[in-house]
Amino acid sequence: KNEVEQSPQNLTAQEGEFITINCSYSVGISALHWLQQHPGGGIVSLFMLSSGKKKHGRLIATINIQEKHSSLHITASHPRDSAVYICAVRQQTSGSRLTFGEGTQLTVNP
Amino acid sequence: ETGVTQTPRHLVMGMTNKKSLKCEQHLGHNAMYWYKQSAKKPLELMFVYSLEERVENNSVPSRFSPECPNSSHLFLHLHTLQPEDSALYLCASSQDLAGGTETQYFGPGTRLLVL
Repeated sequence: KNEVEQSPQNLTAQEGEFITINCSYSVGISALHWLQQHPGGGIVSLFMLSSGKKKHGRLIATINIQEKHSSLHITASHPRDSAVYICAVRQQTSGSRLTFGEGTQLTVNP
Repeated sequence: ETGVTQTPRHLVMGMTNKKSLKCEQHLGHNAMYWYKQSAKKPLELMFVYSLEERVENNSVPSRFSPECPNSSHLFLHLHTLQPEDSALYLCASSQDLAGGTETQYFGPGTRLLVL
């Protein structure tokens, strides 16, 4: 079992829908990252969280440290949001090393 | 553009070839990383360099040999690879290693196919 689990693995939505991707982890962490990977392979860091909630445009990320759970929300989804979304955690004892989830493939249809 | 570039973007090699992957970061960062991403598997950390010194070697086979000649450049030398080494190889950098607040910036990756 992975230390970082994401759900769902695949998600298809219609343009305009509200989307939620979930991440659960089983280790103590100092930070959690949400990353976006487009089909070409490049990865972009979306958020880094250690508590509470962050918002950037149509993206919202929340984390509940007690429940070891984080969610990434996309409001008013658009086809250009189609990508793999990856959750990664920085474990308390691992310095800068990140442990990654398997990713959620999101497809937003027009 | 993340400020991290990788070349080549695609590479096909035979099992007896020797090739090198190159990563360059233009961000003034002190730490650089090599990751492997195989199909349907999470990203796997391979190597970490901080100030040109290797600080982590994550049980990677010796057919992968990293080199960090300066804080802006990172190489991954490949020799006698196996077909199962076919994957996307991603380079990343961060300002420093210490603390929990470092964001890693990723390059576009090199997609490697070993025949």
